[in-house]
Amino acid sequence: GQNIDQPTEMTATEGAIVQINCTYQTSGFNGLFWYQQHAGEAPTFLSYNVLDGLEEKGRFSSFLSRSKGYSYLLLKELQMKDSASYLCAVRAAGNKLTFGGGTRVLVKP
Amino acid sequence: EAQVTQNPRYLITVTGKKLTVTCSQNMNHEYMSWYRQDPGLGLRQIYYSMNVEVTDKGDVPEGYKVSRKEKRNFPLILESPSPNQTSLYFCASSSRAQGELFFGEGSRLTVL
Repeated sequence: GQNIDQPTEMTATEGAIVQINCTYQTSGFNGLFWYQQHAGEAPTFLSYNVLDGLEEKGRFSSFLSRSKGYSYLLLKELQMKDSASYLCAVRAAGNKLTFGGGTRVLVKP
Repeated sequence: EAQVTQNPRYLITVTGKKLTVTCSQNMNHEYMSWYRQDPGLGLRQIYYSMNVEVTDKGDVPEGYKVSRKEKRNFPLILESPSPNQTSLYFCASSSRAQGELFFGEGSRLTVL
């Protein structure tokens, strides 16, 4: 089976940087996704990592270390609209996708 | 507009009354899946489909059925709903099994 851990909640100030960690244990690894979900809405895709390293996309970056079973999502220059839940999801062998419980990020003025 | 459409968006029903939540996508995606989302438990996969007539169980398939007779549609069937199936349900699709998921707006189901 798969086990995915991420913090439940984080608070940060507008304009700051926040790093959301995700650790996972899986039998076979086929990629890691990050999704953003605003309250009452559907998740939307942010990033995908399948190889080790950093993927940068504007204010958001995602990092993966397969040997450590570890990823993080970095949100820079935080804006109020970034207040949302951030979901880490791991695709294992056989294409089964498992989500972590999500990290709720609250951005304060 | 590319989208995944679920219906109904909201439903209150009673124990044992069969219901179907429809899901349709207009992106010609091969991969489709159903998730339920509960507080503290995150998104859990119910069933997924790699292509027409190909379906597989996810992590929480008990009490649910699916079918994939056409590429665009992937209905979720609750033959005899029970209160523990009260949840927020999301349908999602992807161009391939490894690709990013596009989610429907969600269906909030309450079983009394």
